[in-house]
Amino acid sequence: AQTVTQSQPEMSVQEAETVTLSCTYDTSESDYYLFWYKQPPSRQMILVIRQEAYKQQNATENRFSVNFQKAAKSFSLKISDSQLGDAAMYFCAFGYSNYQLIWGAGTKLIIKP
Amino acid sequence: EAQVTQNPRYLITVTGKKLTVTCSQNMNHEYMSWYRQDPGLGLRQIYYSMNVEVTDKGDVPEGYKVSRKEKRNFPLILESPSPNQTSLYFCASSNFGGFNTEAFFGQGTRLTVV
Repeated sequence: AQTVTQSQPEMSVQEAETVTLSCTYDTSESDYYLFWYKQPPSRQMILVIRQEAYKQQNATENRFSVNFQKAAKSFSLKISDSQLGDAAMYFCAFGYSNYQLIWGAGTKLIIKP
Repeated sequence: EAQVTQNPRYLITVTGKKLTVTCSQNMNHEYMSWYRQDPGLGLRQIYYSMNVEVTDKGDVPEGYKVSRKEKRNFPLILESPSPNQTSLYFCASSNFGGFNTEAFFGQGTRLTVV
């Protein structure tokens, strides 16, 4: 069975600094996708970034980038130049051929002004 | 505006009183699903549907029912709610164009069963 582990229940970072959120997963699938979603206090789930497992190049979206290590089954999210609006719960999710998403428990990110 | 609409956003009910949480999407998506979110557990899938009249169980289906009579609607039904179903519920939809397509989420329904 597929599992996703986020080992950091809470992280804090100073505004304008860089923070990295960890995610590891376990699977025997070879073709899959990985996602980071953001959930601000409004509860809305917002896609931050996605990564296809067959692509070696790490995905980037503006200040957000991932470090995808397929052999290590690791998928960390780096947020550069942290802003107050980045404060939220961040969820790592794994998806494969049956369209089901498997979710981590989430990491609460606190931004210190 | 492309969106997934859930109603209600908040609901307090008593044990055993049947309730329905509605979900509607305006993006003509084939795939729809329901999740529950609990602290420390992330999101867990309850049911999903790949198209009209096609539904299947997710990881935690016990105590829930769904139907997909129209492509745009995917209601979640709790026939006899119990306190352990107190949770935050999300409906989501996505295209069948490939699994890398984005899942769109509703605003969430905070359900409390007393």
